[in-house]
Amino acid sequence: DVKVTQSSRYLVKRTGEKVFLECVQDMDHENMFWYRQDPGLGLRLIYFSYDVKMKEKGDIPEGYSVSREKKERFSLILESASTNQTSMYLCASSFTGPPRGNYGYTFGSGTRLTVV
Amino acid sequence: GESVGLHLPTLSVQEGDNSIINCAYSNSASDYFIWYKQESGKGPQFIIDIRSNMDKRQGQRVTVLLNKTVKHLSLQIAATQPGDSAVYFCAEIEGGGADGLTFGKGTHLIIQP
Repeated sequence: DVKVTQSSRYLVKRTGEKVFLECVQDMDHENMFWYRQDPGLGLRLIYFSYDVKMKEKGDIPEGYSVSREKKERFSLILESASTNQTSMYLCASSFTGPPRGNYGYTFGSGTRLTVV
Repeated sequence: GESVGLHLPTLSVQEGDNSIINCAYSNSASDYFIWYKQESGKGPQFIIDIRSNMDKRQGQRVTVLLNKTVKHLSLQIAATQPGDSAVYFCAEIEGGGADGLTFGKGTHLIIQP
C-alpha cells in the first residue's frame, strides 16, 4: 500500500526550540508539499518542492524552512518555534502530472504540533 | 490560483439519506478537480476526481458532477453511513499543474442516526 509517512503524530515543543518534521513517501513522486491546517483557515501551503534540492515558498513560509536532500524525503524545519505555530501539519506528495500520473495529492496522517 | 470555496461549512443528514456537498470555483482555466475526505485526526484521503472534459463520474456510492458553465462541482454520497462523517474538501488545478492544487475550506458532514 503506497503511502506518505510523517514521523510523528503528536509533538510538544517549547518556544524557541528548533523543530524538525519529517515526511517520507514511497511512490517515487516528484512533488512534495507541506501544509498547515487550522480551524476556519483550511489548508495553507508553507513550502513545496518539485525536485531534489529544489524548494519553493508557498503562501505562508515565514518562520519555516525545508530540506529535500533525497527524492523520497521532505523535511519541514521550524527554526525557532513560537506559539502561533501550534497547528496540524500535513505533508503531501504527487506526480508532476500525465503521463507519470494524475495531479492528485497523497497526504500523510498529519503531525499535531503544540508549542508551549 | 484563484480560490475554491464551498457553499456550506456544515451539512447534517440522516443516516441512509443521500448527501450532496457543493463547491464553487472561480478559475475557469481549471481542468482537473478532486474531492478529498478527512476524518477526525487523519490526513485527507482521495475520494474521486474528474477532468474538465467530463460532466459526471461515478465511484462506489459517490458521484461527482461538474458544471463548467457555472463553475460548480458537487459530491453526491448515496445512502450515507456513519463512516461518511468527515470534512470534505474540493480541490482544483489548472492545466500544467505548476501552481499545485487549490483547496476549498471544507464542509463538515454530520450523520444523524
